[in-house]
Amino acid sequence: QVQLVQSGSELKKPGASVKVSCKASGYTFSNYALNWVRQAPGQGLEWMGWINTNTGNPTYAQGFTGRFVFSLDTSVSTAYLQISSLKPEDTAVYYCARKDDLLTYTFDPWGQGTLVFVSS
Amino acid sequence: QSVLTQPPSVSGAPGQRVTISCTGSSSNFGAGYDVHWYQQLPGTAPKLLIYGNSNRPSGVPDRFSGSMSGTSASLAITGLQAEDEADYYCHSYDTSLSAWVFGGGTKLTVL
Repeated sequence: QVQLVQSGSELKKPGASVKVSCKASGYTFSNYALNWVRQAPGQGLEWMGWINTNTGNPTYAQGFTGRFVFSLDTSVSTAYLQISSLKPEDTAVYYCARKDDLLTYTFDPWGQGTLVFVSS
Repeated sequence: QSVLTQPPSVSGAPGQRVTISCTGSSSNFGAGYDVHWYQQLPGTAPKLLIYGNSNRPSGVPDRFSGSMSGTSASLAITGLQAEDEADYYCHSYDTSLSAWVFGGGTKLTVL
């Protein structure tokens, strides 16, 4: 079945970098865009942007430019989110979600989420 | 402040019907963009509940239904069950922001 599996939780110090992976299975990876969504502790969902899995072209939402980078390794059907110069306020669960442009035209399915905890 | 406005919380007794509203604007719902709804059970990832205003993905019980009118949308849950206790988010595209936007989320408590 269609599935997105993300990498495990990360504990990082301020100023460090982190790279979260999102491995897709059950479908042709390059046919569907991949979105990233952030959820800070106790807060709602915030769209970070998306990456075109066919061209590799990323689009970043307002507030997620500069320290945030989306990338791909199509050979292993995996998308990555890298965050540099981490700050305590980056502490959140980060989700990847496939954009289904065939049936639902929305985000489905979602990865299980990756907790990134930033603390000194 | 979310572009899509939801009540922070709603509650209902088992078996009752509850509705969750989602108010948008002329740059999202009013511009013709659909609303989608997600259910997020405690400690889990969001799961698609309703897409394209009123469509249920395979496996979603027909106790859940969605509707849209003008710049407002709503999610209705009938025959409330304890397992429905979760956070619910509406979702759409906003053309003035050129961004996907979420409502602030509504916590459903089953009394």
